[in-house]
Amino acid sequence: QKEVEQDPGPLSVPEGAIVSLNCTYSNSAFQYFMWYRQYSRKGPELLMYTYSSGNKEDGRFTAQVDKSSKYISLFIRDSQPSDSATYLCAMAGGKLIFGQGTELSVKP
Amino acid sequence: ETGVTQTPRHLVMGMTNKKSLKCEQHLGHNAMYWYKQSAKKPLELMFVYSLEERVENNSVPSRFSPECPNSSHLFLHLHTLQPEDSALYLCASSQESSTGTANTGELFFGEGSRLTVL
Repeated sequence: QKEVEQDPGPLSVPEGAIVSLNCTYSNSAFQYFMWYRQYSRKGPELLMYTYSSGNKEDGRFTAQVDKSSKYISLFIRDSQPSDSATYLCAMAGGKLIFGQGTELSVKP
Repeated sequence: ETGVTQTPRHLVMGMTNKKSLKCEQHLGHNAMYWYKQSAKKPLELMFVYSLEERVENNSVPSRFSPECPNSSHLFLHLHTLQPEDSALYLCASSQESSTGTANTGELFFGEGSRLTVL
């Protein structure tokens, strides 16, 4: 079983849609949960960072962590074509593990 | 310059060539990393340097040789590579806590060096 599972997509949505990206994990030692965004031909950039369970909101982005279910989510409201990128979940707790990334395309 | 800079951005090499990838960070961080990114696969950690000392080497083949002359510069020396080594090689930096490798996951990545091995 992989430590972090992420649906690779691709995921295609119309502009304005609500997007839900998800990851599951198996290691209870993870304490820090991140979402990185990677545009084509660029390196990943940290988008959201949360510690332990709960929600964190930043503009149109909401990161949600449910440690009891070992499940994290990233919600994008009012999605824009500029949100088209690969989104990588990552988790840390002694070591840092990345998901394989979900490719998102937002169509105008 | 700001952030993490990688050169070259693209590299094509034969299996018998020797080349090097360079990374420079302007963030004042004390840890640097090499990751390999292949299509449809998670980022693979290759090497970690903390305070210029290698602290992690994830069973990487010896045809990849890292070098960290100071806290701002990191190199990846390549020799006798295989076609399956073709990938995007990402450099990253972070600020570790004074207690050691806290690794909270806050990494700053460069734009990567796209390597093609013929």
